[in-house]
Order: sequence, then structure tokens, then C-alpha cells
Amino acid sequence: AQSVTQLDSQVPVFEEAPVELRCNYSSSVSVYLFWYVQYPNQGLQLLLKYLSGSTLVESINGFEAEFNKSQTSFHLRKPSVHISDTAEYFCAVSDSRGNAGNMLTFGGGTRLMVKP
Amino acid sequence: ETGVTQSPTHLIKTRGQQVTLRCSSQSGHNTVSWYQQALGQGPQFIFQYYREEENGRGNFPPRFSGLQFPNYSSELNVNALELDDSALYLCASSFGDRQYNEQFFGPGTRLTVL
Repeated sequence: AQSVTQLDSQVPVFEEAPVELRCNYSSSVSVYLFWYVQYPNQGLQLLLKYLSGSTLVESINGFEAEFNKSQTSFHLRKPSVHISDTAEYFCAVSDSRGNAGNMLTFGGGTRLMVKP
Repeated sequence: ETGVTQSPTHLIKTRGQQVTLRCSSQSGHNTVSWYQQALGQGPQFIFQYYREEENGRGNFPPRFSGLQFPNYSSELNVNALELDDSALYLCASSFGDRQYNEQFFGPGTRLTVL
């Protein structure tokens, strides 16, 4: 079984400031890691994912996350946020074993609030 | 390419009633997963269907059941509704059930149980 903890339920930040959204996970098996974003009244959208290879993964809109196996973390960062980044962000994991399926276990979410 | 669609958008039911929620998967996708997202919480996995067979189930009671049809659309049925069933129900589709198969989410159905 896996669990995901997002340590901050809300993160207020001013526009153009850097931000870090924290995610820690617990699992008895190897996992893949994901960040999803949910804008108001919309479904979840995949932001970025770590399956294998380089532990630093990037999204097309400037976010990045680093997989740290020893600390069981997958924190999301952006060096300069925009008003349009205001949304709910969810960290998720899935069992990486071959026949385990792609079901996701989500954290509780972090609401990023970007202020002008 | 049509994305994942869900119906209805909103639904109000009373305790003890039954409800059916519907999901049309993205074109070409053969796997559908359902999640429950209570207010202020992250989504919780209910179950997954792959090629019309249940492929995995989360920690939900048997009164939560589902179907996947030959066209890969899906239904989520909940019997004997309880107040705690009030939530946003999300459907996600993917081509295949491997971990590298990205799941695409619909906008959800907001269920309120009174």
C-alpha cells in the first residue's frame, strides 16, 4: 500500500516569486510519481511525471520536480510564478511493478494562491 | 479528438437512493478508472475497468459498483446512498493499464446527498 502526504494545504505567494510545493510518500514497493493540477471547475491535468532515468523532471510551463528516493520526496518547484498558476496541485504515486495497473494514490492537495 | 466527458454535471439525491454516473472515455482508450474526491481532499481510487473487466478496486464497499461497455464507456453505480457519499466523482481514461499509460481526467460529476 502507498500513501502520499502534501505538507501544506495552502501556499500563498506573490507573483514572480519562487515556490515549492512539498510531497512525501510512503510505500513498501517501488513507485512512479506524478504531479497533477486542477483548475477551478476542471478535471485533473498531468503536470509532470517520474517513471525512470533522470531524477529531475520538467513540465512545459516552467515547473520542475525532483525525485529523492532516500527522503521519499517529490517536491514541485517553480522559480517564478504567474497569476495563472493559481490552482490546486496534487501529488500522486502508482505501484511500479509490471502487472500492478496504473491506479493512482493521491495526496490531499495544495492550493497555490498567487497574489499580484 | 474528444476528451473524457461525464454526465450529469451535478446531481442531488437523498439518503438511501441509488445513483448512476456516466463516463465517455477519450477516443481510442480502453481503460477507465473512477475516483471519489471529497471536499478539500485528494481523489481516492474506487475501481478500474480494462477491456470490460474490473481490473482493480480500492477500499470502497460493494454498494459501489460499475460497468464498462464494448465502446469502453463506463458507469458508476452507488446504492443506498449515504451523506458521506457527497463528493466530486472523477472518471479517467487511458490507453492500457500500464503505469506509463497517462490517465486523462474528465471534469467530474458533483453528487450531493441530502
